[in-house]
Amino acid sequence: EPEVTQTPSHQVTQMGQEVILRCVPISNHLYFYWYRQILGQKVEFLVSFYNNEISEKSEIFDDQFSVERPDGSNFTLKIRSTKLEDSAMYFCASSVTGFGFNYGYTFGSGTRLTVV
Amino acid sequence: AQKITQTQPGMFVQEKEAVTLDCTYDTSDQSYGLFWYKQPSSGEMIFLIYQGSYDEQNATEGRYSLNFQKARKSANLVISASQLGDSAMYFCAMREGRDSGGSNYKLTFGKGTLLTVNP
Repeated sequence: EPEVTQTPSHQVTQMGQEVILRCVPISNHLYFYWYRQILGQKVEFLVSFYNNEISEKSEIFDDQFSVERPDGSNFTLKIRSTKLEDSAMYFCASSVTGFGFNYGYTFGSGTRLTVV
Repeated sequence: AQKITQTQPGMFVQEKEAVTLDCTYDTSDQSYGLFWYKQPSSGEMIFLIYQGSYDEQNATEGRYSLNFQKARKSANLVISASQLGDSAMYFCAMREGRDSGGSNYKLTFGKGTLLTVNP
């Protein structure tokens, strides 16, 4: 079964450093998403991406965050200057289409980011 | 107001028994979708079951069924014949909105229910 692949699975970074989280969505999917989950809390939407541009972003997704699809297969989330409160599990997801609700999302296994 | 409410922070069930995990939702849209995901301690999000707002029948996937009561805005997950491997966090999520030229539909999650299956 096709998978969404995320790397690395765990990253530790110093506060103020830049991090890039990487995702390879399912190849025929067109819509891409990043979510985050602070330890013990619910999963929160960060951003959605379609046709090489951001479709929607949450209030969490401030100027410190950016996304891009540099080469048609990878989908990256960059945090420019990490803060302690950025420590969380970050999930990438993709879906075939936004049309019709019978298409689910496929989530990656997540990247656990720890900012120290 | 919360869009997805899961009122049970934790639930316990005996192996081989059935358990119902509650989920209520709030939306003014006519078209929406409801999802349940399982998150084991390893952290990944595993899709379990989907119910569309226009689906007349309750969704079923193996041991999972969704008790969809549209008028009450509830979408409870029923797990039959619980297994030890069912011990995990379970999240209810909703996707709202109609597509209007390329817009995407984000998922809104509830806070989750931690299910523990006892031997």
